Amino acid sequence: DQQVKQNSPSLSVQEGRISILNCDYTNSMFDYFLWYKKYPAEGPTFLISISSIKDKNEDGRFTVFLNKSAKHLSLHIVPSQPGDSAVYFCAAKGSQGNLIFGKGTKLSVKP
Amino acid sequence: EAGVTQSPTHLIKTRGQQVTLRCSPISGHTSVYWYQQALGLGLQFLLWYDEGEERNRGNFPPRFSGRQFPNYSSELNVNALELEDSALYLCASSLEGALKVETQYFGPGTRLLVL
Repeated sequence: DQQVKQNSPSLSVQEGRISILNCDYTNSMFDYFLWYKKYPAEGPTFLISISSIKDKNEDGRFTVFLNKSAKHLSLHIVPSQPGDSAVYFCAAKGSQGNLIFGKGTKLSVKP
Repeated sequence: EAGVTQSPTHLIKTRGQQVTLRCSPISGHTSVYWYQQALGLGLQFLLWYDEGEERNRGNFPPRFSGRQFPNYSSELNVNALELEDSALYLCASSLEGALKVETQYFGPGTRLLVL
């Protein structure tokens, strides 16, 4: 039973365009969400987070949107750069302290 | 400021052996989390330690255990290794307690191969 779902295993975007990565969750009790970027054989790097009391959080080229009624969040990267190519994980903070991760979306940004 | 550090970076063991992985959290962080990323799978929560105590564990057998030391560093022990234990083991830290910060910051991981 997957509580955090990233339904797109991969996404390809042209350099300079917008990348939109999506994430759905099933547990309405989740109150904190995070996005991480990960390269193979490395640890995830924290990108941006959002509390459930907000619907948007922005940090430079990265913006996360939260739609609580739809139990959906998305990460927008504008403009996309080749260095953004990586696997992006959506995570929710569980009630028992741990993060619950989606399976990830592999983003490829083509020059 | 140093991030989360883990050792060793790589490890090769055989079935039935035991292994100990180590993690040092970011200075000032009191909580340490362990996750497993097996090949083709997502990150699965293993254990959470805070202030020296185990706070929660994921759906893993008891042969996965660990501890947290007074300086907040942590060890993950895996006994009776099985082939499917081959994975990237990730440690993360966060600030809990009165100044709780939700974000967990990850180390580079330890790659374990069980033959």
